[in-house]
Amino acid sequence: AQTVTQSQPEMSVQEAETVTLSCTYDTSESDYYLFWYKQPPSRQMILVIRQEAYKQQNATENRFSVNFQKAAKSFSLKISDSQLGDAAMYFCAYRSATLDSSYKLIFGSGTRLLVRP
Amino acid sequence: GAGVSQSPRYKVAKRGQDVALRCDPISGHVSLFWYQQALGQGPEFLTYFQNEAQLDKSGLPSDRFFAERPEGSVSTLKIQRTQQEDSAVYLCASSLARFGNQPQHFGDGTRLSIL
Repeated sequence: AQTVTQSQPEMSVQEAETVTLSCTYDTSESDYYLFWYKQPPSRQMILVIRQEAYKQQNATENRFSVNFQKAAKSFSLKISDSQLGDAAMYFCAYRSATLDSSYKLIFGSGTRLLVRP
Repeated sequence: GAGVSQSPRYKVAKRGQDVALRCDPISGHVSLFWYQQALGQGPEFLTYFQNEAQLDKSGLPSDRFFAERPEGSVSTLKIQRTQQEDSAVYLCASSLARFGNQPQHFGDGTRLSIL
């Protein structure tokens, strides 16, 4: 079974600075997808960024980028130029690409990001 | 609407009562997922529909939990004889297709409190 681990329950960053959130996962599959979701107090899970395991190039979305290390099974999220609106819970998630799977998301326990003004 | 809609937003029930939670996915989305999120935890998968077919219910914690999607659009998650451990946020998500890297779009969830 696949597992996702987020070892940082809470992180804090100064506004305009850079912060990195860690995520490791365990799987025996070779093809899969990885995601970072943001969950503000409103509870809606918002997709931040996604990475296909077969792609070596790290995904980037504006101020958000990932460091995907497939051999190490590591998938960290870097937030540059942090803004007050970035404060939220961040969840790392794994999704199988196997054809007979349900494509359910497997989530980590989350990291609470605090942004100091 | 443009997004996934869930109702009610909050539900309070007494232990032993039955509850029904509704999810209205994005129009045209084939896949629909239900997740349970306990306080301070990440969401955990409950069940998955492709159109009206329930293809995976491996995450349902007991036979008190039942989900349906009879016409392949709106889905209802029903919990019978509720217990305190059922208190959680229930999230619904939909995606356009089963294959590929189609992202799952989430609703705002229903916070269920069992007294």
